[in-house]
Amino acid sequence: GQQVMQIPQYQHVQEGEDFTTYCNSSTTLSNIQWYKQRPGGHPVFLIQLVKSGEVKKQKRLTFQFGEAKKNSSLHITATQTTDVGTYFCAGPAGGYNKLIFGAGTRLAVHP
Amino acid sequence: NAGVTQTPKFRILKIGQSMTLQCTQDMNHNYMYWYRQDPGMGLKLIYYSVGAGITDKGEVPNGYNVSRSTTEDFPLRLELAAPSQTSVYFCASSQTSPGYEQFFGPGTRLTVL
Repeated sequence: GQQVMQIPQYQHVQEGEDFTTYCNSSTTLSNIQWYKQRPGGHPVFLIQLVKSGEVKKQKRLTFQFGEAKKNSSLHITATQTTDVGTYFCAGPAGGYNKLIFGAGTRLAVHP
Repeated sequence: NAGVTQTPKFRILKIGQSMTLQCTQDMNHNYMYWYRQDPGMGLKLIYYSVGAGITDKGEVPNGYNVSRSTTEDFPLRLELAAPSQTSVYFCASSQTSPGYEQFFGPGTRLTVL
């Protein structure tokens, strides 16, 4: 069945370093969404990408959607301790009534 | 707007007990979802609903039941709790299809002993 995979599973960085997480789908996606979950919290929507090759920025966060609409990435420039958490990508599953989530990338930032 | 609310926040069950996890949203969203998140893992869809009176199974429905009698409420029922159901349960809603963002509740942390 349809799968969404994320790498790495975990990344530990020093504050100020950059961070990137990658998301790959086994099928072409109509759109992809990114969520952030702080430790002990609930997932919070960050952004949605729809167009092939789309790039969107939110302050230090840059999101890309691949040309084939099967992969995406989230890049954080100059990480801060407030960036700590798990980042999930998600895409519509068969029938488009639901999302399938990747396993997430857990980011630890050390001051 | 309170958004998506869930009760209880925490619960400990004994094996074989039953309980209902409550979920309410005040955003008039048609789509509602139940996920479970095991420690250090991603979100797995248990059940979802596209409107009052309509529910469907997700990835891991065994051991659970749902109902959707109103737009606002989407309770999740656990029958005969098992240790494998120890998890954090999140309810979410979205305006229409998953093309729109999902809003998550704060979660219910359930332990089955």
